[in-house]
Amino acid sequence: AQKVTQAQTEISVVEKEDVTLDCVYETRDTTYYLFWYKQPPSGELVFLIRRNSFDEQNEISGRYSWNFQKSTSSFNFTITASQVVDSAVYFCALSEARYSGAGSYQLTFGKGTKLSVIP
Amino acid sequence: ETGVTQTPRHLVMGMTNKKSLKCEQHLGHNAMYWYKQSAKKPLELMFVYNFKEQTENNSVPSRFSPECPNSSHLFLHLHTLQPEDSALYLCASSQEEGLGNSPLHFGNGTRLTVT
Repeated sequence: AQKVTQAQTEISVVEKEDVTLDCVYETRDTTYYLFWYKQPPSGELVFLIRRNSFDEQNEISGRYSWNFQKSTSSFNFTITASQVVDSAVYFCALSEARYSGAGSYQLTFGKGTKLSVIP
Repeated sequence: ETGVTQTPRHLVMGMTNKKSLKCEQHLGHNAMYWYKQSAKKPLELMFVYNFKEQTENNSVPSRFSPECPNSSHLFLHLHTLQPEDSALYLCASSQEEGLGNSPLHFGNGTRLTVT
């Protein structure tokens, strides 16, 4: 069975500090996909990034960067120079690529990390 | 219009009431989902519809009844709920190609309180 662990329940940082959100996953599949979502107070989860298991290149998008390490089964997310607008709950998720014929698959979410950026 | 729209945003209902949650997606996706988000718990997948066919029912009690009349609309009919059903109900859609790599697009959710 697949599992996603976000050990940090809540993190508070002062604006402009860098912060890293940890994500550790478990899966038996060799092909899988990892995602990060952001949930601001409005409630809607916003897709941030998708990574497949064969692509270990780190990715940077503006102030966001992601570090995928297969050897440690981790997919960590770093926000550089944090801003108040980054305050949200962040979810890591894992999908095992299993074609069922009906097109459904299991997407497992972690419990989320609540990030508070203090001005 | 936003990609995935859910109504109502907030709902308070008694345990004997019958109500429905509505979700509409304007993204041309072929798969739609209901998730339940309770405090201190991971998001729980409830139902999946792919091309209007239900492909997943994650052991959800029968007091929750989904309906998907077409690929753009999804309903969750509620009846005789329990207080522990109070949660944020999130609808999502994706362009599902059977590979497990499609990102989900979520609505803002319906905050449900059962009294």
